[in-house]
Amino acid sequence: SQQGEEDPQALSIQEGENATMNCSYKTSINNLQWYRQNSGRGLVHLILIRSNEREKHSGRLRVTLDTSKKSSSLLITASRAADTASYFCATGAGYSTLTFGKGTMLLVSP
Amino acid sequence: DSGVTQTPKHLITATGQRVTLRCSPRSGDLSVYWYQQSLDQGLQFLIQYYNGEERAKGNILERFSAQQFPDLHSELNLSSLELGDSALYFCASSDRDRDQPQHFGDGTRLSIL
Repeated sequence: SQQGEEDPQALSIQEGENATMNCSYKTSINNLQWYRQNSGRGLVHLILIRSNEREKHSGRLRVTLDTSKKSSSLLITASRAADTASYFCATGAGYSTLTFGKGTMLLVSP
Repeated sequence: DSGVTQTPKHLITATGQRVTLRCSPRSGDLSVYWYQQSLDQGLQFLIQYYNGEERAKGNILERFSAQQFPDLHSELNLSSLELGDSALYFCASSDRDRDQPQHFGDGTRLSIL
């Protein structure tokens, strides 16, 4: 079964707007990771946040983690058409490999 | 470029056949992971090898097998293929065996006719 579940399933915005995607999970984790997948390509690692961290930034990306609610969010600021992709969260629990959710499809229109 | 190389990019074959997918991990990475991605099942973890040894097993069918060679490249063997095996198969690598970013290849698209 999938550990992480992304919400929404699909998101459509205009260039320049912010995009927020959420991820919920069920069991204790060591870390949570976000990946991007362009159509038909391999996943690209974006950011890793450890269970003792609450927020992390990387360029236009901001990730938050709330372990009490077992949830994370990915914020992409000032979206560009090139950000159009599917975004996946994946959880790592130390004793097993990463478990990926089904992803959020983001469409950024010019 | 992730540094992970998968060959071939596309495979078209018939039911009942056997195919081998190949993966060269990023230089220095000891772990190799195999995933299957389809529209209905999403991204499913199949199996992981770490420095030549099987480390974790996921939703891998008995008709599928894998191995990692001393030079760290890996092969995924799929046999007695069925229509439902049509999917994108990804290989990923990481430097350690868990809780690390994974670097994905561009996948092999397998089509069963």
